[in-house]
Amino acid sequence: QVQLVQSGAEVKRPGASVKVSCKASGSIFTDYYFHWARQAPGQGLEWLGRIIIKSGDAGYEQKFEGRVTMTRDTSINTVYMELGSLTPDDTAVYYCARDGGNFDFDYWGQGTLVTVSS
Amino acid sequence: QSALTQPASVSGSPGQSITISCTGTSSDVGGYNYVSWYQQHPGKAPKLMIYDVTNRPPGVSNRFSGSKSGNTASLTISGLQAEDEADYSCSSFTSSTNFVVFGGGTKLTVL
Repeated sequence: QVQLVQSGAEVKRPGASVKVSCKASGSIFTDYYFHWARQAPGQGLEWLGRIIIKSGDAGYEQKFEGRVTMTRDTSINTVYMELGSLTPDDTAVYYCARDGGNFDFDYWGQGTLVTVSS
Repeated sequence: QSALTQPASVSGSPGQSITISCTGTSSDVGGYNYVSWYQQHPGKAPKLMIYDVTNRPPGVSNRFSGSKSGNTASLTISGLQAEDEADYSCSSFTSSTNFVVFGGGTKLTVL
């Protein structure tokens, strides 16, 4: 059974960075792509980017370019999303999700609340 | 990249059918059969309900179905049940970025 387990909630000051982890189990980690999305309070989902586990290549939504970095550690089946230069507008629940094949996200992490406040 | 357009809310009574629309452009919904639908209960992670416009993952009720006409995809839920009350979001591959775009989400209320 596939499971994605994310790291815990974070509180950050404006201007800081946050790094969220997502540990996968129950499937062959390197066979998949993983995505990150976020959901601000009361808002819809917003796609941040995607990482190809086998190569480590990452692609990002243009509005986050230069501020987001996605990496992976295949030795521990974990992907990471680091977002820098945080502002209060980055307050959201951040999700990792596995790509089932055609940009359909078949398994999701439980979400990580990131709060940015002075 | 603009979000796909969904109605903010829809409602229906138990046993009825409802349809949620997801409107994009020829660069996303209209151009590719890579539309997905997600159900999200409050405080929970999204759950994949439909992928590739019409396909249901294992374990998803056949009361949920997907379709597409032109630049608009639709999710239909038949035989509404109280447990269907949730937020529903669509997503699509987009050739504008070669990545993904989400809809704004629709709140379904079961009366």
